[in-house]
Amino acid sequence: EAGVVQSPRYKIIEKKQPVAFWCNPISGHNTLYWYLQNLGQGPELLIRYENEEAVDDSQLPKDRFSAERLKGVDSTLKIQPAELGDSAVYLCASSRSGTGSTEAFFGQGTRLTVV
Amino acid sequence: RKEVEQDPGPFNVPEGATVAFNCTYSNSASQSFFWYRQDCRKEPKLLMSVYSSGNEDGRFTAQLNRASQYISLLIRDSKLSDSATYLCVVLRGVYNNNDMRFGAGTRLTVKP
Repeated sequence: EAGVVQSPRYKIIEKKQPVAFWCNPISGHNTLYWYLQNLGQGPELLIRYENEEAVDDSQLPKDRFSAERLKGVDSTLKIQPAELGDSAVYLCASSRSGTGSTEAFFGQGTRLTVV
Repeated sequence: RKEVEQDPGPFNVPEGATVAFNCTYSNSASQSFFWYRQDCRKEPKLLMSVYSSGNEDGRFTAQLNRASQYISLLIRDSKLSDSATYLCVVLRGVYNNNDMRFGAGTRLTVKP
C-alpha cells in the first residue's frame, strides 16, 4: 500500500511569491491533516479535514494561507504571499476515522525556504 | 501554556541506560494518547499507543495517569538506534474526531 505522498519535497521561493503544496493521502483515509513543523519543534496543526470538510482551521493564517480537499481525497495547501517566517517543513498526514484505529501516517513533508 | 508539554531535553545517555520521558496535557477531555518517533529530517512515525493500564512493547513501556494528565515513556537498555526525537501526542475528542496535538518533542542521543 502506498503511503502518504507529498510534493514537492523541497521548495525555495522569494518572499511575496505564491507557493503550493500537494498531498495524496493513503487510500480510504478520510481524515487529512496539514501540519507545520519548525526546527526543534513538534508539528503544529494548520488544518484538519474529515472527508472534504475542513473541521478545524482555527490555526490556519487565513490572510495568506488557504487549503482545499476537493472530492475528499488529495489536498493542496497554498501560501500567498509567502513571508520569510513561513520557512518550515509542511507535513501532511492521514488517518482512518471511525474504525477505532487512529494512527496517523505522515508524508515525507515539503521543506519550504523563503528567501 | 501549550496543550501538550514535554521534557525539553536533550537527553544524552550511554548505551544500555534506562531513560524516561514525561509529558503533560492540559485538555482533560483528551481521549487517546501516543508516542511518535521522529528521526532527523524524517517524518514522525507511531512508536506506540498509551493505554490507561500501561503497556509494554519490548524495551519500551508507556504509562498514562489521567488524574494527573501525565504520560510517560520508559526506554530500557538503550540502543544507538534509539537516537531520535520522541513526540508525545494527544487525541482530543471522541470517536470519529481525530484532533491530534503534538508536544515539542524530546531529543534522545544514545552514545557508545
